[in-house]
Amino acid sequence: EVQLVESGGGLVQPGGSLRLSCAASGFTFSTYSMNWVRQAPGKGLEWISYINSRSSNINYADSVKGRFTISRDNANNALSLQMNSLRGEDTAVYYCVGRGMDVWGQGTTVTVSS
Amino acid sequence: QSVLTQPPSASGTPGQRVIISCSGSSSNIGRNYVYWFQQLPGTAPKLLIYRSNQRPSGVPDRFSASTSGTSASLAISGLRSEDEADYYCGVWDDSVYVFGTGTKVTVL
Repeated sequence: EVQLVESGGGLVQPGGSLRLSCAASGFTFSTYSMNWVRQAPGKGLEWISYINSRSSNINYADSVKGRFTISRDNANNALSLQMNSLRGEDTAVYYCVGRGMDVWGQGTTVTVSS
Repeated sequence: QSVLTQPPSASGTPGQRVIISCSGSSSNIGRNYVYWFQQLPGTAPKLLIYRSNQRPSGVPDRFSASTSGTSASLAISGLRSEDEADYYCGVWDDSVYVFGTGTKVTVL
């Protein structure tokens, strides 16, 4: 079964850091680009980052550029998102998305609040 | 800020046909494939259409899509109660991916 499972969400204070992880299974992870997409409470979808299969091409949305870092470990079928200098507006459900936007994880919730 | 504009809502009775529009520009819809996603209440989004008009396996042929110039549209034929959801278009715009503003479909 093709699956993406996110973890690492939680409650963090403004200015804090959090690292999200995504475990992939059921497909050849190393051959596909991956993305992170988030959805604030009651809002629409927002793409935040992309990484190609070899980590040679990485892009970020302006809203997270300089604060978030995407990375991947093809040997372990894992995708990560390091989030620093977190703000209230980063509160959202974060989805790991891959295989051409075909596969979505169930999401992990990040809440930034004091 | 989304660069793809969708109507906030659409509705129909069971069996009717509903069409959702997605308006973009020459840098996104006018140049790249459009994707459509369905998000049922309380769940993660699911890919509904890829490469502008292709359905992944398992997606009913009641769902169809097309593009014309800088606009795209998703049609749901034979509307069913289980189609009540939020629908988003999405497309690459240079090196960023942009989603539409989303359309809530209600089955009356």
